[in-house]
Amino acid sequence: EPEVTQTPSHQVTQMGQEVILRCVPISNHLYFYWYRQILGQKVEFLVSFYNNEISEKSEIFDDQFSVERPDGSNFTLKIRSTKLEDSAMYFCASSPTSGIYNEQFFGPGTRLTVL
Amino acid sequence: DQQVKQNSPSLSVQEGRISILNCDYTNSMFDYFLWYKKYPAEGPTFLISISSIKDKNEDGRFTVFLNKSAKHLSLHIVPSQPGDSAVYFCAASSQAGTALIFGKGTTLSVSS
Repeated sequence: EPEVTQTPSHQVTQMGQEVILRCVPISNHLYFYWYRQILGQKVEFLVSFYNNEISEKSEIFDDQFSVERPDGSNFTLKIRSTKLEDSAMYFCASSPTSGIYNEQFFGPGTRLTVL
Repeated sequence: DQQVKQNSPSLSVQEGRISILNCDYTNSMFDYFLWYKKYPAEGPTFLISISSIKDKNEDGRFTVFLNKSAKHLSLHIVPSQPGDSAVYFCAASSQAGTALIFGKGTTLSVSS
């Protein structure tokens, strides 16, 4: 069964450093998303991406965040200058264009720890 | 502001009985409602969904009920199994391809 994959599973970085989180969405999906979950809190939407551009973003997704689809399979989230409060689980998701109920399929997540 | 609310942080049920998880929402623009199951250190797994034009959707042991006038939905699991023990998230969105707004989750524990 096709699934969303994410690398790395755990990333530790120093405050102020840049990190890139990688995702491979399900191959025939065309909508891509990033969410995050700070420990003990709910899953929060960051950004959605369709047709090679951002289609929607939340207030969390400020100028230090960017997304890219550098090739036909990868989808990346870059955080330019990490802060302590960026420590969270980051989930990538994808959905097909014909999803009846907006079903989004999530990857296993990357745990980002900012020291 | 909490557009999607799951007011019960936890629920304990005996194996074989029914589990009922509840969710309330405030945004009348939501058209799609989904339930996800999550184990620790894993991503949310899609379970079942419903659109606003329906009031019930069933898939095996899982049934989702939607009461639009009350802005309330519920997930019924019958019969409950120990493997169902996980955190269950309710999520909603206004249209396909847009952000899912999640509730805080309900931890379900099914004892044998």
